[in-house]
Amino acid sequence: QVQLVESGGGLVKPGGSLRLSCAASGFTFSDYYMSWIRQAPGKGLEWVSYISSSSSYTNYADSVKGRFTISRDNAKNSLYLQMNSLRAEDTAVYYCARVSLTGGLGFDYWGQGTLVTVSS
Amino acid sequence: QSVLTQPPSASGTPGQRVTISCSGSSSNIGSNTVNWYQQLPGTAPKLLIYSNNQRPSGVPDRFSGSKSGTSASLAISGLQSEDEADYYCAAWDDSLNGFWVFGGGTKLTVL
Repeated sequence: QVQLVESGGGLVKPGGSLRLSCAASGFTFSDYYMSWIRQAPGKGLEWVSYISSSSSYTNYADSVKGRFTISRDNAKNSLYLQMNSLRAEDTAVYYCARVSLTGGLGFDYWGQGTLVTVSS
Repeated sequence: QSVLTQPPSASGTPGQRVTISCSGSSSNIGSNTVNWYQQLPGTAPKLLIYSNNQRPSGVPDRFSGSKSGTSASLAISGLQSEDEADYYCAAWDDSLNGFWVFGGGTKLTVL
């Protein structure tokens, strides 16, 4: 069955860096676009970034552009999010999600999320 | 401020039918399909409706979606206590190389 497992979250000081990972299994990872979506405590969902299946295309929300970098390693079935110059407003649960091939660009599978806390 | 606009809350009694609206613009809902997500307390979101009105396997037919112009709606009929959750609409936006936009979420309370 499809599984997405995020890791790498934790407490980091403002201005610091963190690298999130998402391990995928149960499907042909290299066939799918992948995305990161975050949710600040008590708030709604915010799309962060996406990457195409072969890494040819990426895009970012304005709120993270220039600070975050999405990447993937299809040989390792893994998705990454390098987060630099972190701010308090980046505090959130970060989910990795698979973009459906057939479902109207929906996110058909989500990981359980990893919490990133930016605080001094 | 979310790009897509949803009411912050909705409620109903067991067995009732409730609807949740989602309003966008020509660059998102107006030109792309709408997806809906259900987030039960303390869990990750789950795809509930895709391509405006399609249900993934396992989603009960009590859940239905529709779209007209730059707005969409999620309807839940035969409301059950386990439907108490947050519901989010989302769509692809064609602006600036393309990105996803979400609604602010609607908290559904089953009275």
